[in-house]
Amino acid sequence: DGGITQSPKYLFRKEGQNVTLSCEQNLNHDAMYWYRQDPGQGLRLIYYSQIVNDFQKGDIAEGYSVSREKKESFPLTVTSAQKNPTAFYLCASSLAGTSEHEQFFGPGTRLTVL
Amino acid sequence: QQQVKQSPQSLIVQKGGISIINCAYENTAFDYFPWYQQFPGKGPALLIAIRPDVSEKKEGRFTISFNKSAKQFSLHIMDSQPGDSATYFCAASIGGKSTFGDGTTLTVKP
Repeated sequence: DGGITQSPKYLFRKEGQNVTLSCEQNLNHDAMYWYRQDPGQGLRLIYYSQIVNDFQKGDIAEGYSVSREKKESFPLTVTSAQKNPTAFYLCASSLAGTSEHEQFFGPGTRLTVL
Repeated sequence: QQQVKQSPQSLIVQKGGISIINCAYENTAFDYFPWYQQFPGKGPALLIAIRPDVSEKKEGRFTISFNKSAKQFSLHIMDSQPGDSATYFCAASIGGKSTFGDGTTLTVKP
């Protein structure tokens, strides 16, 4: 059963703590993406990776970090430098980093900072 | 600078009616225009997409109309059903990187 998984579904964090969100895909996709979704706003790109060991900043990368050590995994770390981290985080993957390939989204992780 | 503007923010349609959502973009380098459907608490899923060299694409009850000169595109949902109630996002892509509109929450009343 191929797909993209994110864990955990809900995550609570105290201010000042770093937290890592997991994203795994078994679709053999080259490209992976992290988006942030806030109420009333569209998806905003945080980071993306088109190949293992390489990634690029998106539109709102400040306060976030990623790694791409394996093709199937693209974890996102929300650092204490992120001023307003409470949001719904979505991971996606696509066959290749070209426009005409559908992005498949995971179920999301809802992060709440207490 | 918002590169993809989507309207309306919310839309209420009677069952059987036509739902229309509009998007406008600024960057003429965008080369792919997908629409995504998202249900509450879930990730978005691709609904239908179009390339800029095509003026219209239809898949079942869903149609994209594309106006390259006006830099606008729209989603039409014919015979809208309560099960279509969801949030719809347009997007514009270049080099595999997508810019999304702010979304339209569609409610189809039975």
